[in-house]
This record gives sequence, C-alpha cells and structure tokens, in this order.
Amino acid sequence: GEDVEQSLFLSVREGDSSVINCTYTDSSSTYLYWYKQEPGAGLQLLTYIFSNMDMKQDQRLTVLLNKKDKHLSLRIADTQTGDSAIYFCAEYPGGGNKLTFGTGTQLKVEL
Amino acid sequence: NAGVTQTPKFQVLKTGQSMTLQCAQDMNHEYMSWYRQDPGMGLRLIHYSVGAGITDQGEVPNGYNVSRSTTEDFPLRLLSAAPSQTSVYFCASSYRGGDRSLAKNIQYFGAGTRLSVL
Repeated sequence: GEDVEQSLFLSVREGDSSVINCTYTDSSSTYLYWYKQEPGAGLQLLTYIFSNMDMKQDQRLTVLLNKKDKHLSLRIADTQTGDSAIYFCAEYPGGGNKLTFGTGTQLKVEL
Repeated sequence: NAGVTQTPKFQVLKTGQSMTLQCAQDMNHEYMSWYRQDPGMGLRLIHYSVGAGITDQGEVPNGYNVSRSTTEDFPLRLLSAAPSQTSVYFCASSYRGGDRSLAKNIQYFGAGTRLSVL
C-alpha cells in the first residue's frame, strides 16, 4: 500500500532556512500536499503541488518534487518562531478522497 | 462560514462506555473523513464518506461506526471504548470537484477531539 515517511524532528535558528523532507511510495500520486498543525489545533493546508510540476514557490515557501526518487521537500525561508509547528506531507492518487499522511515533522525554531 | 466543527473538544471515558463524536461542516462538501492522530504515527484514516448515505472503512475501522444521513453531519461512534482508543480525533471534509482544476481533494480539518479512555 501507500507509505509516506518523514523525519520526526527538525530544529533551526530564527532567520535560517528550514527544509522538511518527505518520501512516498505511490507512483500514481496526483497531488502532494503540505499541511501545518499548530499546538492544539487541526491541520491547515500550506501548499500543494501537482505531480506534473517539479517546483512551486509561494512567498517564503518552496516545494520541490523529484518524481524519479519519489521525494518531496518543503523549504521555509527566513524561518520565524511562528513557524514552529508539526508539518505533514500527504499524497493523493486521484479518485475517491483518501489521502495518505506522513508521520509529521516537528519543527522547532530557536532564537 | 464556521468550516468544520467538532464537539466535544475533550472527553474522558471509562473502558466499556460508548459515545459519539460529532462533526459538522457548512461548506456543502461531499467528502468527509475521520482520522486519529497518535504520536509518531501521523494521521490514520478510520472511516470516510463520499456522500450522504455512503460510508466506507479506512485503515483502522475496528471499534468505530459511522453514518452519513445528511451532507453536513458525519458522527463517529465508539461502541465500547478501550484504552487503545485514547487519541486525538480529527474530522475533515473536502470538495469532490466537477473538473480537474478543482479535483485537488484539499481537506479542511476540524480542531479535533482529545479523547482519553481510562
């Protein structure tokens, strides 16, 4: 079945760039998403990328997709303390509504 | 728009008790899902629905029932609570989309229900 993997923790200094990585196994993935979960809250969509793209930029966020290696990354430029959260990668093969989520990466931003 | 509303926010149950977690959305989304979130395991799909009257099992359905009598509501029932069901439960809804540009299945999440089973 589908599997999505992420590292559990990442710590960066305020102002540095953060890179959160994700690998997936389903080669039929149509869309790949990044969700953000702040403490005590539900998940909110940050950005997504369609599988025929290899890069998407949205203000401080850059998503890179390497379809050959089934690798997705999220880069946050100029990381701020408000970026501290858990970041989930998710993939969607298309059809139905099932997303497969990764385990989430806890990002800690230090002063 | 309230989006996706879950109640209650917190609940403590004793083993063997039953309860219903409520979920309502006001976005007229066809799709609704229930997930549980456990440390180090991400989100796992419990049950989902593609429209009123239609439900199906996800990855971890045992011990849970759902029904979808209206587009807006998708309650999750714990039949006989067990300590293994201690978790944070999230409801999500998404728009099916009538054309490819909308078929992104962007899921909107509620704030969650934190359940402890003693």
